[in-house]
Amino acid sequence: DTGVSQDPRHKITKRGQNVTFRCDPISEHNRLYWYRQTLGQGPEFLTYFQNEAQLEKSRLLSDRFSAERPKGSFSTLEIQRTEQGDSAMYLCASSLALILAGQRELFFGEGSRLTVL
Amino acid sequence: GESVGLHLPTLSVQEGDNSIINCAYSNSASDYFIWYKQESGKGPQFIIDIRSNMDKRQGQRVTVLLNKTVKHLSLQIAATQPGDSAVYFCAENINFGNEKLTFGTGTRLTIIP
Repeated sequence: DTGVSQDPRHKITKRGQNVTFRCDPISEHNRLYWYRQTLGQGPEFLTYFQNEAQLEKSRLLSDRFSAERPKGSFSTLEIQRTEQGDSAMYLCASSLALILAGQRELFFGEGSRLTVL
Repeated sequence: GESVGLHLPTLSVQEGDNSIINCAYSNSASDYFIWYKQESGKGPQFIIDIRSNMDKRQGQRVTVLLNKTVKHLSLQIAATQPGDSAVYFCAENINFGNEKLTFGTGTRLTIIP
């Protein structure tokens, strides 16, 4: 399978614990995005990387959240001191950054569902 | 009370009929739009896209219509099948040099056998 891969698919944790999610984008895709989706809502943008550079962060990304893409390939999203309000699906997407060629499609992974008890 | 966000707009359609899902987008500067399909427990899946210099685009069994005057998108699905049951989201992008998408409120489509 050469699509966007996310791990773990499901995570249950207690409030106050730290969690980390991993995303492996489609190979050769140089842009990687993180989104959060709560029940009944559309995905909301959190942050994105071009290669290893984090180019934009949403106000939704509080200082308990940190994302990295150290080698410009896979990315991690860490949430420290989790709160019940962090319960959501965390979606990763990637793109080839071919806007000049008219391509702006994001390819999404299956998501990592977080439940904070 | 219950969160409004838990109640997605819903549409029920008889199998074989056509369906139309509507979306109002938010930013008049948006110049690229995508419809995604999301099945339960899965990530969004691309269906069809359209640029703002077009008002209609057709794919296989799907057609997207864009009305920039009223900031409205619609997705038409012809001859619906049980596998079309899902939540459908429209998303918009402003060409600031990235693919950052802003998603609308989804619509839950249920196909009745």
